[in-house]
Amino acid sequence: EAAVTQSPRNKVAVTGGKVTLSCNQTNNHNNMYWYRQDTGHGLRLIHYSYGAGSTEKGDIPDGYKASRPSQENFSLILELATPSQTSVYFCASGDQTGGNSDYTFGSGTRLLVI
Amino acid sequence: QQQVRQSPQSLTVWEGETAILNCSYEDSTFDYFPWYRLFPGESPALLIAIRPVSNKKEDGRFTIFFNKREKKLSLHITDSQPGDSATYFCAASGNTGNYKYVFGAGTRLKVIA
Repeated sequence: EAAVTQSPRNKVAVTGGKVTLSCNQTNNHNNMYWYRQDTGHGLRLIHYSYGAGSTEKGDIPDGYKASRPSQENFSLILELATPSQTSVYFCASGDQTGGNSDYTFGSGTRLLVI
Repeated sequence: QQQVRQSPQSLTVWEGETAILNCSYEDSTFDYFPWYRLFPGESPALLIAIRPVSNKKEDGRFTIFFNKREKKLSLHITDSQPGDSATYFCAASGNTGNYKYVFGAGTRLKVIA
């Protein structure tokens, strides 16, 4: 069954440390996205990708990097984690069929930066 | 800059009532409006979607009403059930070809039995 898998499910990091969130999709979708979800803000786009080797800045990219080494994998990297990056992070993949891209989301990563 | 706005932020209804969740947008180039539902601890999942060529889209107990002139839409959940308790996100995407969604802040719905 096609899916989007995120790891880790939960993560506690120290301020100033490096954090890598991983995402793997078996949907064979070209597009992948990283969002963070915070109460009162909804889902905000951090980075996205159109395919292997491509990364694009979303609406709130500051403090984050992204890497798309293959069609299946899309990582979000926090080089110097800060407490303001405590959030729930969702990865999604999208299919461009029909002119729009309905997303399939992963189960999320809960990140706590202390 | 909030391109997609949702109201109310939270909503409580009794079982059997109709819940109405509102959404408005600013960008007139938006041409696709999906609603996603998020249960605690789970993934956001597509619930129902509409394009501006229609002013209504129905799927079981879920109906989207769309007003292109006013740039507003609403999700009606009839005969609400406790299992409908979740956060509902309105989203929008344009015809620019980049297939990015802009999400609203969400409405947290609670249905009381």
